[in-house]
Amino acid sequence: SQTIHQWPATLVQPVGSPLSLECTVEGTSNPNLYWYRQAAGRGLQLLFYSVGIGQISSEVPQNLSASRPQDRQFILSSKKLLLSDSGFYLCAWSKTRFTGELFFGEGSRLTVL
Amino acid sequence: GQQLNQSPQSMFIQEGEDVSMNCTSSSIFNTWLWYKQDPGEGPVLLIALYKAGELTSNGRLTAQFGITRKDSFLNISASIPSDVGIYFCAGPPYNNNDMRFGAGTRLTVKP
Repeated sequence: SQTIHQWPATLVQPVGSPLSLECTVEGTSNPNLYWYRQAAGRGLQLLFYSVGIGQISSEVPQNLSASRPQDRQFILSSKKLLLSDSGFYLCAWSKTRFTGELFFGEGSRLTVL
Repeated sequence: GQQLNQSPQSMFIQEGEDVSMNCTSSSIFNTWLWYKQDPGEGPVLLIALYKAGELTSNGRLTAQFGITRKDSFLNISASIPSDVGIYFCAGPPYNNNDMRFGAGTRLTVKP
């Protein structure tokens, strides 16, 4: 069966520090991968998606970047965090991009102070 | 145009009561999905709907894909404390777009 894991689960970082959140999927090959952000009390905002190694599409311009160095690995990064980057970050995967069900990781809560 | 309008934003109900929430959009959707998110965790898929008019149940949960393909509802019967959480509707709008999510309905069940 397929599993998805992301880490760290919780992160407290000072403004201006770098960020790296990692996500891996097991039990499937060539998944579509996604990073979402959930602000407190709000819905899910799509940040990045990837249909293959090295292929990254950004939904919104921002202080973050994503990379996919391996088929089942998706990384969310920032060189310098802003206060507004605080939130709950969710990695997800799907078999098909446009009609597929999304399967989410456990989430990473980032607090920027 | 591709936004999902989910209502109500929050609900406070007594254990044993039935719950109803819905999602609407001005765009046509090919698929409607309903997720539940427990506090501090990622959303988990509850029900997936693929055809207009489809009515699907999963235990005490029932969801329907609207005939116009622009809306969906989720009902929970005989609520229990573990139903607490945030419920999201989601779907890919027609003509190749990634999954869009409603803002969520936060459900509180009082024992």
